[in-house]
Amino acid sequence: NAGVMQNPRHLVRRRGQEARLRCSPMKGHSHVYWYRQLPEEGLKFMVYLQKENIIDESGMPKERFSAEFPKEGPSILRIQQVVRGDSAAYFCASSSPVGRETEAFFGQGTRLTVV
Amino acid sequence: QKEVEQNSGPLSVPEGAIASLNCTYSDRGSQSFFWYRQYSGKSPELIMSIYSNGDKEDGRFTAQLNKASQYVSLLIRDSQPSDSATYLCAVVSGGGADGLTFGKGTHLIIQP
Repeated sequence: NAGVMQNPRHLVRRRGQEARLRCSPMKGHSHVYWYRQLPEEGLKFMVYLQKENIIDESGMPKERFSAEFPKEGPSILRIQQVVRGDSAAYFCASSSPVGRETEAFFGQGTRLTVV
Repeated sequence: QKEVEQNSGPLSVPEGAIASLNCTYSDRGSQSFFWYRQYSGKSPELIMSIYSNGDKEDGRFTAQLNKASQYVSLLIRDSQPSDSATYLCAVVSGGGADGLTFGKGTHLIIQP
C-alpha cells in the first residue's frame, strides 16, 4: 500500500557496515511491524512497535539488530556490522487497531544486499 | 509458539476454475484473520480480512472462517492468470497486542 513509505528501496552495504532502514507508517497509524523475507521464503516477524515502545521483539536477532519508533519521525530498523546473511527484503507494515480489527498494510520494502 | 500452517504448493488451477487455499492456526485465542497476496519481488497486499465465523465475500474472493476447527480458507472464483501469486495467511491473537503471525504462503498458479 502506497501509504506506508519505506526507504531506501534498495541498499547495498559492505560487510561490517551499518544499515539503517526507515519506515513511515500510514497517516493515523500508530503500530509498526518489521518483517524479513529471504528469497523463496515466507515473511518472518522481527519486531512490533508502538510510538516510543517496543511491544514484541521476539523475532529480532539478539545481536546487531535494533529498532525504534520515536515520538516524531519514522521507525528505524538498524543493523550493525552487517554480514552476507543479512541480505534480504525487509518489509514494514503499519496498522491502527480498532478493537480487534487490526488490518495492517505493507510498504514496498527495502532490499538489502551485503557484498 | 503461535503457528500458522499453509500448504506451500504449488497449487495449479485451470483458468476459470475455483482456487481453494487453506490455512490452520494453533492459537485458539486468535481473533483476526487476513489473506495477503504477494507477487514475486513485490510487497504483500491485503486482499481479505475476516473476524467472525462464516463466510465473507468480496468480488471473486470469499474468505471462510471456522474458529472451532481453527481453520481459515480463501476461495477465488473464476480464476485468472493474474491471480497467480503467493497467498499468505496471517493471524492476530488476542486483542491485537500481538503482531501478525504469517504462514509461509501457498504458491498459486493459474493455467491459461
